[in-house]
Amino acid sequence: GAGVSQSPSNKVTEKGKDVELRCDPISGHTALYWYRQRLGQGLEFLIYFQGNSAPDKSGLPSDRFSAERTGESVSTLTIQRTQQEDSAVYLCASSLAGNYEQYFGPGTRLTVT
Amino acid sequence: AQSVSQHNHHVILSEAASLELGCNYSYGGTVNLFWYVQYPGQHLQLLLKYFSGDPLVKGIKGFEAEFIKSKFSFNLRKPSVQWSDTAEYFCAVTGTGGSYIPTFGRGTSLIVHP
Repeated sequence: GAGVSQSPSNKVTEKGKDVELRCDPISGHTALYWYRQRLGQGLEFLIYFQGNSAPDKSGLPSDRFSAERTGESVSTLTIQRTQQEDSAVYLCASSLAGNYEQYFGPGTRLTVT
Repeated sequence: AQSVSQHNHHVILSEAASLELGCNYSYGGTVNLFWYVQYPGQHLQLLLKYFSGDPLVKGIKGFEAEFIKSKFSFNLRKPSVQWSDTAEYFCAVTGTGGSYIPTFGRGTSLIVHP
């Protein structure tokens, strides 16, 4: 079946612009995660959605970052007033409820110039 | 706060060499442990996982990992690597109390020369 998809695959933006990154999880996966991976670093947790529960936003680095999820489907990660330090690969993952195994998308490579 | 250390950032081996990648974690409770792998141009995927029971777990492609509770370690091993094992390897940990958010190590880049 279809895996987790993300779009765009690459995004180049100018400093100060807003960007929206999209994630389509695997159908039936109620849990969805966003991570940031800077060059040479591990995955940094950003936000976690589980069903209709309030999202866990504890990993968002600043109020410029926000994310939404429509029901148990698509999620968008928005970065406002992008900065050069926002340049990274943004990964999305989904999982079944109560399951620790996550399925990752291909990521969106964001470059802020 | 939980943390994961992967001490080997870059490993270069020849085919047929044995592999051991270190992973140590810090967490105040029982844990679930994972190794994920990212082959060039592919998604991150689960290689193996430990939840409970036998501390020696076997994953795909001949990989195995051993959970040593006293050392807070979960090292990844393979007796004989292949060129196709060239990839980035990430260790991760979660607690077992219903928190599904993992903490990842910074990864180890493995290059296997044919």
